[in-house]
Amino acid sequence: DIVMTQSPDSLAVSLGERATINCKSSQTVLYGSNNKNYLAWYQQKPGQPPKLLIYWASTRESGVPDRFSGSGSGTDFTLTISSLQAEDVAVYYCQQYYTTPSITFGQGTRLEIK
Amino acid sequence: QVQLQESGPGLVKPSETLSLTCAVSAYSISSGYYWGWIRQPPGKGLEWIGSIYHSGSTYYNPSLKSRVTVSVDTSKNQLSLKLTSVTAADTAVYYCGRQRDGGWYDYWGQGTLVTVSS
Repeated sequence: DIVMTQSPDSLAVSLGERATINCKSSQTVLYGSNNKNYLAWYQQKPGQPPKLLIYWASTRESGVPDRFSGSGSGTDFTLTISSLQAEDVAVYYCQQYYTTPSITFGQGTRLEIK
Repeated sequence: QVQLQESGPGLVKPSETLSLTCAVSAYSISSGYYWGWIRQPPGKGLEWIGSIYHSGSTYYNPSLKSRVTVSVDTSKNQLSLKLTSVTAADTAVYYCGRQRDGGWYDYWGQGTLVTVSS
């Protein structure tokens, strides 16, 4: 199994400030034949299912605000929220799909307002 | 807009079988993609249970493989999950979802809480 480890476990950021969440995989999720990183990010609010934000490590899903961005390659990835809004309070998960359809998630990062 | 809705008993006794269905609307399961089940114990993270391709091929989490069966009923446009010999550790919110060919989940059901208790 590919183990996904997120850091930090929780994060408090002031409104309007930048939030950065990291995700590290135990082995590369960069597929050499197509040069794509098999990594997605989700947002989960209380009582709701996860919502897809980003796939291929940096492609925003339709309708996701452009303050959300993903970066990284190989084993190290970052989700950045450029200017935190109140509605961004949630738990964020990374997910690898290099071994699709078998997938694994990070343990989650809780994002709060400072 | 694709919609998924899980249904099934909210309470299952230890050692019995957990059975859930997921009704899919606005998209025909037989048209394509993987369809999967993911669970989330209260206050914890997400765990993939298993997936089924529209053709019927199945893939399971090795840690659950001996107890899990995922199937589809194309006539009803729904997928099903069976988990045998449940214990308290299987208490969780169970989600169904559509898994794109790349591997991410773009549509999710609202989830259903299943509690294992006598």
